[in-house]
Amino acid sequence: AQKITQTQPGMFVQEKEAVTLDCTYDTSDPSYGLFWYKQPSSGEMIFLIYQGSYDQQNATEGRYSLNFQKARKSANLVISASQLGDSAMYFCAMRGTNTGGFKTIFGAGTRLFVKA
Amino acid sequence: NAGVTQTPKFQVLKTGQSMTLQCAQDMNHNSMYWYRQDPGMGLRLIYYSASEGTTDKGEVPNGYNVSRLNKREFSLRLESAAPSQTSVYFCASSVGAKREKLFFGSGTQLSVL
Repeated sequence: AQKITQTQPGMFVQEKEAVTLDCTYDTSDPSYGLFWYKQPSSGEMIFLIYQGSYDQQNATEGRYSLNFQKARKSANLVISASQLGDSAMYFCAMRGTNTGGFKTIFGAGTRLFVKA
Repeated sequence: NAGVTQTPKFQVLKTGQSMTLQCAQDMNHNSMYWYRQDPGMGLRLIYYSASEGTTDKGEVPNGYNVSRLNKREFSLRLESAAPSQTSVYFCASSVGAKREKLFFGSGTQLSVL
């Protein structure tokens, strides 16, 4: 069975500092995709970044980067130079291609608080 | 650019009542999904439709039915609502199977009393 684990229910970070949000996963699929989504207090779900299991390099999107360690089955999100607008809920998600089929599963989320 | 549109945004039901949540996407996506979000549990997949004409169960399908009306529309029906179905419901779509990202609607907050 596939599983996503986010062990940090809440995190605090000072504005302009970097923060790492942890994500570990479990799957038997040889090919899979890992995603991070942001959910601000307004409630919408916003796609941030994607990492394919066979991608050689870690994904980056602006201030977001994904620290992908395949052997450890971790896919941590790094936000550099935190801004007040980064305060939100962050979800790690995974989508397999064999046993996972069309299902994208989500972790429980980490709530990030950015302090001024 | 509407993207994924869900209706209604809010709904209050009494136990035993039925209702249908509507979802439509205008991005010509093949796959559509219904998730529910509960505090501390992330998003859990209820049902999905890989392509027009197909539907499959997700992680928590009990108490729900779905209809893929056409390529654009995917509805979720609660036949006899229960308090345990109080949740925020999200519809999402993606280009296809594989590893594409999901595009989400704005959510429906449902309370069952």
